[in-house]
Amino acid sequence: EVQLVESGGGLVQPGGSLRLSCAASRFSISSYWMTWVRQAPGKGLEWVANIKEDGSQKFYVDSVKGRFTISRDNAKNSLYLQMNTLRADDTAVYFCAKSHLIGSNGDLQHWGQGTLVTVSS
Amino acid sequence: DIVMTQSPLSLSVTPGEAASISCRSSQSLLHSNGNNYLDWYVQKPGQSPQLLIYMASNRASGVPDRFSGSGSGTDFTLKISKVEPEDIGFYYCMQVLEISFTFGPGTKVDIK
Repeated sequence: EVQLVESGGGLVQPGGSLRLSCAASRFSISSYWMTWVRQAPGKGLEWVANIKEDGSQKFYVDSVKGRFTISRDNAKNSLYLQMNTLRADDTAVYFCAKSHLIGSNGDLQHWGQGTLVTVSS
Repeated sequence: DIVMTQSPLSLSVTPGEAASISCRSSQSLLHSNGNNYLDWYVQKPGQSPQLLIYMASNRASGVPDRFSGSGSGTDFTLKISKVEPEDIGFYYCMQVLEISFTFGPGTKVDIK
């Protein structure tokens, strides 16, 4: 069965950086758009960023543009999110997700368990 | 950005009864290819979200057939024909037509 495992979360001070990773198994990410979604404590879901199969297109929610960078290493079957200049409102559980259909950037059928990022002094 | 709204925001249902959640978008989600770019997700307590419906009316694999999606343009509906206790959770619609993709605020479904 498809598996996505996020890592790299933790406590960081405002202005700091973190790099999240998402390791995929039992499928090749090279065929799919990949996405990061976050959920602040007690809040709803927020789409953060996604990246095309070959990494040639990347898109971000406005609130993270210029601070976060999504990337992928298809050879390592992994997705990443480099988060810089972190703010308190970036505090959230970050999920990586895989699209169901090849060529689609929606229909997020498979999700990881999430990794918690806490931005606080 | 496309703004998504849902109603109701909370729903209490008796097992075996039907339930319906409405989702509206501030712009049409109907693409020129004829597809509506609207997904439905459920997040059960303590779990990651799960895809229920994609492109407005396509049930994801493994999703029970008591779940159905309908609608087009700006108005969409998720129906649960006979609610079961395991269906409790937050239900979210999400538009995937235009970047930034946006979720609705979520509808909390619980059991009476």
